Amino acid sequence: RKEVEQDPGPFNVPEGATVAFNCTYSNSASQSFFWYRQDCRKEPKLLMSVYSSGNEDGRFTAQLNRASQYISLLIRDSKLSDSATYLCVVNGGGSYIPTFGRGTSLIVHP
Amino acid sequence: NAGVTQTPKFQVLKTGQSMTLQCAQDMNHEYMSWYRQDPGMGLRLIHYSVGAGITDQGEVPNGYNVSRSTTEDFPLRLLSAAPSQTSVYFCASSSRSRGAIPLANTIYFGEGSWLTVV
Repeated sequence: RKEVEQDPGPFNVPEGATVAFNCTYSNSASQSFFWYRQDCRKEPKLLMSVYSSGNEDGRFTAQLNRASQYISLLIRDSKLSDSATYLCVVNGGGSYIPTFGRGTSLIVHP
Repeated sequence: NAGVTQTPKFQVLKTGQSMTLQCAQDMNHEYMSWYRQDPGMGLRLIHYSVGAGITDQGEVPNGYNVSRSTTEDFPLRLLSAAPSQTSVYFCASSSRSRGAIPLANTIYFGEGSWLTVV
């Protein structure tokens, strides 16, 4: 079983739609969680950290469910510019090495 | 503010040639790492370092060497290039948390190095 799993997609949604991604992790001792965004042929960049109580940044909401060992990312009112790959990153649990999911591809169309 | 700088951005090698991908960061980060990314495979860790003089292997270290003589620099050497090493390579760095949560800090990536081995 992979340590961090994501549905690769692609998720194909119209502008204005709400879309959600989940990411499951296997190490119950994991302590920090992030969502990164990667545009085509570009480096990954931090989108947002995920806090235990959940957090929101504009149209983006991240949630953590420790009991079921998953994190989620909700994007409201999707824009064309949201088209990218979204990487889930899990850290801690006795290791200094962050673990990346393979990413979920989002395509927002007019 | 340079952040993480990788060179070269593009490189074509012949099978058997050696080369070094350079990576430098100006943020005084302790943790540096090299990843390769292939279509459908996600990011795979090649080697990493938690400080000057300390390196360790990641998931796919074969065919690559690293060294960390300074905090700023973390070069990746391909010893004898093979077509299977055709990929995009990312260098990354992060500060190492002093608290209870290791590496609970943003990971910064270089812009990537596109390598083709023919």
